[in-house]
Amino acid sequence: GAGVSQSPSNKVTEKGKDVELRCDPISGHTALYWYRQSLGQGLEFLIYFQGNSAPDKSGLPSDRFSAERTGGSVSTLTIQRTQQEDSAVYLCASESGQQETQYFGPGTRLLVL
Amino acid sequence: AQKITQTQPGMFVQEKEAVTLDCTYDTSDPSYGLFWYKQPSSGEMIFLIYQGSYDQQNATEGRYSLNFQKARKSANLVISASQLGDSAMYFCAMREVHNNDMRFGAGTRLTVKP
Repeated sequence: GAGVSQSPSNKVTEKGKDVELRCDPISGHTALYWYRQSLGQGLEFLIYFQGNSAPDKSGLPSDRFSAERTGGSVSTLTIQRTQQEDSAVYLCASESGQQETQYFGPGTRLLVL
Repeated sequence: AQKITQTQPGMFVQEKEAVTLDCTYDTSDPSYGLFWYKQPSSGEMIFLIYQGSYDQQNATEGRYSLNFQKARKSANLVISASQLGDSAMYFCAMREVHNNDMRFGAGTRLTVKP
């Protein structure tokens, strides 16, 4: 398909473990965003990648969170030493350029036990 | 600071009627974009409609229209002829030209009654 894809769709982990979440943006889209959505809440911005520029990490809630984008395409969000409050849906979105519409992936539902 | 406010946590509408979902925003940037997204129970975020701050006319996309009142800083979504499939969470969002992040409101849960 031509949309944004994310994997895994669901992830259950134990407190203290590390997790990696993957996002495949729409081909050709230069910008990529990660958001977190806690149960019943709106979206919380985490990090933004635009082309080869340094990412905007201003939304990352702690230094346990990091993300990278290899080759300007696939992105991985890593959460180290997971905590129960990290349980949420993690959404990835891509856009074709600045100030364009963002297209979202289906999300990864993370549950930390 | 809260930049997007959706004051209606939940709304009900009768099938085939129109409904307005409220959204107000706060910005000092003269250039910004306003977005509405729909999130069904399946969880995906579906883009509905976009309004630029310099657009002279209200945006429309099929049954969706955006009632943009710039001076009041409001960007209400109007859904005409509601359908059962419109039942979902609706999020208003804004992005200022000089910021990378898109700010989302808390959402409104719309339920369409048969």
